[in-house]
Amino acid sequence: GIQVEQSPPDLILQEGANSTLRCNFSDSVNNLQWFHQNPWGQLINLFYIPSGTKQNGRLSATTVVTERYSLLYISSSQTTDSGVYFCAAITNAGNNRKLIWGLGTSLAVNP
Amino acid sequence: EAQVTQNPRYLITVTGKKLTVTCSQNMNHEYMSWYRQDPGLGLRQIYYSMNVEVTDKGDVPEGYKVSRKEKRNFPLILESPSPNQTSLYFCASSPSYWGLVGNTIYFGEGSWLTVV
Repeated sequence: GIQVEQSPPDLILQEGANSTLRCNFSDSVNNLQWFHQNPWGQLINLFYIPSGTKQNGRLSATTVVTERYSLLYISSSQTTDSGVYFCAAITNAGNNRKLIWGLGTSLAVNP
Repeated sequence: EAQVTQNPRYLITVTGKKLTVTCSQNMNHEYMSWYRQDPGLGLRQIYYSMNVEVTDKGDVPEGYKVSRKEKRNFPLILESPSPNQTSLYFCASSPSYWGLVGNTIYFGEGSWLTVV
């Protein structure tokens, strides 16, 4: 089945720094999404990015389907960016269509 | 405001005492599902429902039951909870099974469950 791997597992930044989070997926996927889980556990959609590049404020994401990876860029990081970033691929599995999640990148942004 | 509401948000219970985690969405979504999140294992799907009265197992259904008697509600039932069901649980909804893409997936705020 599809596997989703994220790197790095942990990241510590000083406020204002930039970072790149990577998501590799093992097989062709229908769609790919990025989520942010804040320190209180809430999951927030960031990007739906099956291919190409999108930007939303200080965040942007790129997916290169042919090379089976996606990147999440965080620029000018802020303490509120702390939390865990997940990528998830949507796959068909029999009669089910579900999200296959990576294990996340835990980001801490220090003031 | 579009939202998925889970209750309780936090619960400590004892082994064997039946409990229900409720999930309700106000967006008239057809598709709903439950996930559990565990350290080192990520999020895994427990059950899903494509519409009223249509439910099916996800990857880790053992020890759980669900029902979908009406479109807005999708409760998760633990008939006899055990400590290995201690986890963070998420309910999610989407307009339709075939629309399970993009930013149309909404998650509840999570329910922290501890079974002692």
